[in-house]
Amino acid sequence: QKEVEQDPGPLSVPEGAIVSLNCTYSNSAFQYFMWYRQYSRKGPELLMYTYSSGNKEDGRFTAQVDKSSKYISLFIRDSQPSDSATYLCAMSAGGSYIPTFGRGTSLIVHP
Amino acid sequence: GAVVSQHPSWVICKSGTSVKIECRSLDFQATTMFWYRQFPKQSLMLMATSNEGSKATYEQGVEKDKFLINHASLTLSTLTVTSAHPEDSSFYICSARARGRAEAFFGQGTRLTVV
Repeated sequence: QKEVEQDPGPLSVPEGAIVSLNCTYSNSAFQYFMWYRQYSRKGPELLMYTYSSGNKEDGRFTAQVDKSSKYISLFIRDSQPSDSATYLCAMSAGGSYIPTFGRGTSLIVHP
Repeated sequence: GAVVSQHPSWVICKSGTSVKIECRSLDFQATTMFWYRQFPKQSLMLMATSNEGSKATYEQGVEKDKFLINHASLTLSTLTVTSAHPEDSSFYICSARARGRAEAFFGQGTRLTVV
């Protein structure tokens, strides 16, 4: 079992839909959780960063962390074709802060 | 967010030559930098972690003599691919984080093609 599991998709949704992206993990030491968006042939862009459990909202994006279930989510409201990309979850423990990445979920938002 | 600049964006080199890739943090001090390799439609593969002023720590299976990493200052790290071969062709990406911060910021990536 990998430390971080993420469904690679692709996930195809119509424009305007609410998108839910998820990751599960097995390492209970993880405290820092990040979501990145990566367009083809580009470096990943940090979308959301949360510490420990809870919710965080930024515009159309909401990140949720449930440490008791070892489950994190990213919600995208009113999805747009420009949101079509690969979304990577990442998490790390304190000390080294070396992030462990999921394999990424490919999202396609069609007009 | 913080800005990390990576150059060049793409490079083509002949087999047997060396290529240097630069990664700069433009608006923060990067105490730690990470170097990744990414194959098409796959996730990031961590190659090495470097802390400013220290030798890089390489992941298992990564040849340290082939992939030379230098992190001489708080804003610059370089990856040199020595004696490049076609199998080294890939997308290389750096990321950087500041002291005490967990979130890392990525460069634009470098597409290396060895012919």
